Amino acid sequence: GEDVEQSLFLSVREGDSSVINCTYTDSSSTYLYWYKQEPGAGLQLLTYIFSNMDMKQDQRLTVLLNKKDKHLSLRIADTQTGDSAIYFCAEITYTSGTYKYIFGTGTRLKVLA
Amino acid sequence: ETGVTQTPRHLVMGMTNKKSLKCEQHLGHNAMYWYKQSAKKPLELMFVYSLEERVENNSVPSRFSPECPNSSHLFLHLHTLQPEDSALYLCASSLGTGLESPLHFGNGTRLTVT
Repeated sequence: GEDVEQSLFLSVREGDSSVINCTYTDSSSTYLYWYKQEPGAGLQLLTYIFSNMDMKQDQRLTVLLNKKDKHLSLRIADTQTGDSAIYFCAEITYTSGTYKYIFGTGTRLKVLA
Repeated sequence: ETGVTQTPRHLVMGMTNKKSLKCEQHLGHNAMYWYKQSAKKPLELMFVYSLEERVENNSVPSRFSPECPNSSHLFLHLHTLQPEDSALYLCASSLGTGLESPLHFGNGTRLTVT
């Protein structure tokens, strides 16, 4: 199937690290994305990783990719209350001659002060 | 300022009404999308336009009718909707429809069908 799976909720204390996990389905996916959605807003691209990489770091964000297990994770260091949002993992697949984004259900991150 | 602007932000309509959602992008992108976001469900792709031509229509009921008059504007015309159509409707754009063309989203229109 074309399911991208994420856990629905995660709570962490301010200053701790958050790790949001995702499993995807298409082993031929070449790009994998993380989007952030704040209340009342659309999705904002946070970062992405190319499939020939196993790690990408961007300031407080670290993306880890395990292609063998089709597992993607997003680590947020020193989590702040402003990081409270829904985080979506997405893969891009090639089907019937077109590229298509498949999004997960999103993980709602709550940061406790 | 996201570069993708959607109006209205909120819309309440009865089942017999006709309304339209509007999306405008100022990013010079060539592809535009409509997504439906319902609670606890993955984002559902509804329509894709590339260079003003519809390239994907994901089995969406005919009560939703898209229109793309140019590469900067996208509309979703709504007619005789059902309560289960209540959701957040997100517009997005991308430079192309291929790889390494991340989506840029608007803030959405929250639609309530009564």
